[in-house]
Amino acid sequence: GQSLEQPSEVTAVEGAIVQINCTYQTSGFYGLSWYQQHDGGAPTFLSYNALDGLEETGRFSSFLSRSDSYGYLLLQELQMKDSASYFCAVSPSATDSWGKFQFGAGTQVVVTP
Amino acid sequence: DAGVIQSPRHEVTEMGQEVTLRCKPISGHDYLFWYRQTMMRGLELLIYFNNNVPIDDSGMPEDRFSAKMPNASFSTLKIQPSEPRDSAVYFCASSLALTGGPQETQYFGPGTRLLVL
Repeated sequence: GQSLEQPSEVTAVEGAIVQINCTYQTSGFYGLSWYQQHDGGAPTFLSYNALDGLEETGRFSSFLSRSDSYGYLLLQELQMKDSASYFCAVSPSATDSWGKFQFGAGTQVVVTP
Repeated sequence: DAGVIQSPRHEVTEMGQEVTLRCKPISGHDYLFWYRQTMMRGLELLIYFNNNVPIDDSGMPEDRFSAKMPNASFSTLKIQPSEPRDSAVYFCASSLALTGGPQETQYFGPGTRLLVL
């Protein structure tokens, strides 16, 4: 099976940097994804890590370390519009759980002026 | 492409009534997923289809829930009879693949907000 742990909430001021950690226990997965969800909206894809290391997409970066069962999403130059929930997710590769895409509980990021 | 389309966007019904949620995936996507999101349980995978065939429905909470995909462009999630604890946001999502890389990116519809009184 698999489980993903993330902090429930993070608060920061505009312009700051926020790191959202995701630790997981899984029997195997293809990659670690991150999704953003604004209140009342649908989850939207942000970033994907198939290999260990850092992936950068504009102000957002994501990191994966399979040996440490750990990943993080880094939000830089925070803007008010970044206030949202952020989910880490995996697509399992084990035969008995293949396709059972699993999301963490989500981290609510609150950006203050 | 218009993205994943879901209907209705909001549904209010009384306990015991049948509820049918609809989804049109992105054209060309082979995988379709139904999720339920609540504050208590987060985002839960209910069932997923590959090429219109249900592959895993282990997340379907009870026999009151059923899902179909009669063709590549349409799927339904039905609750009969509905109960107040079924109140949640139901999302449909589609993807090209499951085997890693950008192809496994899930594209979510806007969701159906269901309230069962």
